[in-house]
Amino acid sequence: ETGVTQTPRHLVMGMTNKKSLKCEQHLGHNAMYWYKQSAKKPLELMFVYNFKEQTENNSVPSRFSPECPNSSHLFLHLHTLQPEDSALYLCASSQEGLAGLSSYNEQFFGPGTRLTVL
Amino acid sequence: AQTVTQSQPEMSVQEAETVTLSCTYDTSESDYYLFWYKQPPSRQMILVIRQEAYKQQNATENRFSVNFQKAAKSFSLKISDSQLGDAAMYFCAYKDFGNEKLTFGTGTRLTIIP
Repeated sequence: ETGVTQTPRHLVMGMTNKKSLKCEQHLGHNAMYWYKQSAKKPLELMFVYNFKEQTENNSVPSRFSPECPNSSHLFLHLHTLQPEDSALYLCASSQEGLAGLSSYNEQFFGPGTRLTVL
Repeated sequence: AQTVTQSQPEMSVQEAETVTLSCTYDTSESDYYLFWYKQPPSRQMILVIRQEAYKQQNATENRFSVNFQKAAKSFSLKISDSQLGDAAMYFCAYKDFGNEKLTFGTGTRLTIIP
């Protein structure tokens, strides 16, 4: 596997279900991200992990719970979701410098998980 | 907070012609980065081109070039000799110096007419 992979690619779940999205990067990067992509809206940054530490939580509801066990893996645990949470969830990774230093590096994106909440 | 605006939800261009996608942004910072990302249908988002704000020279990558106007806070993407494979959603994005957070626009859907 190369680049950034995400599983599953498609997920349909009920509002009472618990599921997890998985992201894996094979690029040796130290930062990983979760984004939500809804139609006609900008990509919304949800969480950022830099050196496995969460550095950003963009006011995301607690029904979304991220986990970053190491610099190559990122999970998004889902429970008690709402229909408006249906969207494409994208994972990305990048190689970032230390806080406060210039970072020009691009983010590499995975193919996304298309989530439908019934 | 920084914002990125793409005022063209959809654009179309004849194959082999040139098209320009618009992007404006708002920031109080002087050092930052700007990006154009491409998201083909059902495929992964990839970086097309990037620009450092302190560089006055416009970035160019083969058929893709930008017109960066710092004072106007404008960052347009020009695609020359459009090809069928250029059909995609194009997102403009902004990144502060020293911050890993990317702020995206709403995107422009580009259609290539054969």
